[in-house]
Amino acid sequence: QVHLVESGGGVVQPGRSLRLSCAASGFTFSAYDMLWVRQTPGKGLEWVAVISSDGNSGYYIDSVKGRFTISKDNSKNTLSLQMNSLRPEDTAVYYCARAAVVGPPYWFDPWGQGTLVTVSS
Amino acid sequence: EIVMTQSPATLSVSPGERVTLSCRASQSVGSNLAWYQQKPGQAPRLLIYGASTRATVIPARFSGSGSGTDFTLTISNLQSEDFALYYCHQYNTWSTFGQGTKVEIK
Repeated sequence: QVHLVESGGGVVQPGRSLRLSCAASGFTFSAYDMLWVRQTPGKGLEWVAVISSDGNSGYYIDSVKGRFTISKDNSKNTLSLQMNSLRPEDTAVYYCARAAVVGPPYWFDPWGQGTLVTVSS
Repeated sequence: EIVMTQSPATLSVSPGERVTLSCRASQSVGSNLAWYQQKPGQAPRLLIYGASTRATVIPARFSGSGSGTDFTLTISNLQSEDFALYYCHQYNTWSTFGQGTKVEIK
């Protein structure tokens, strides 16, 4: 059974850093692109970062470029999101998600249960 | 960026009824559209991909249709567990989501 479990969320002051992790199981992790998607009441669902199956290529939405780094450890079946210079508008529930199929275009399935990041002084 | 517009924002319905949710794309996305259901405190759950293909273990009362810019999700014989938020998601040109339709009990 495919399973994704996020960890690392919490409350952090603006300008500080936080690292999210996602433990994957039940599938060949190295074969799939992986993503972080966030959800806020105001902006709804938006993808934040995506990484290629081999972990060599990452892409980001403009608002987090230069601040967030996505990484993938295929030997440990772990996805990470390093978030630096956090802003209040980064406050959201962050979901780890898998590309549903190998290679784009793809929808996202499954999703982890989410982890809440709150950026506030 | 492709903008996805869902309507209505809220639907008030009774159990057993049939509901139709709409999703419109600002430009063609072909059939590269998915629908998700989300309940409070839970992650989105895939219902439909490829505009009309039901995901594994999704009941037959859920059906999707459309292509290009206009899509619908129909739920027949609404069950109590179907009251939730529903999102459409285009993955033709990278990825954007609609803002959601809430299906609530009338």
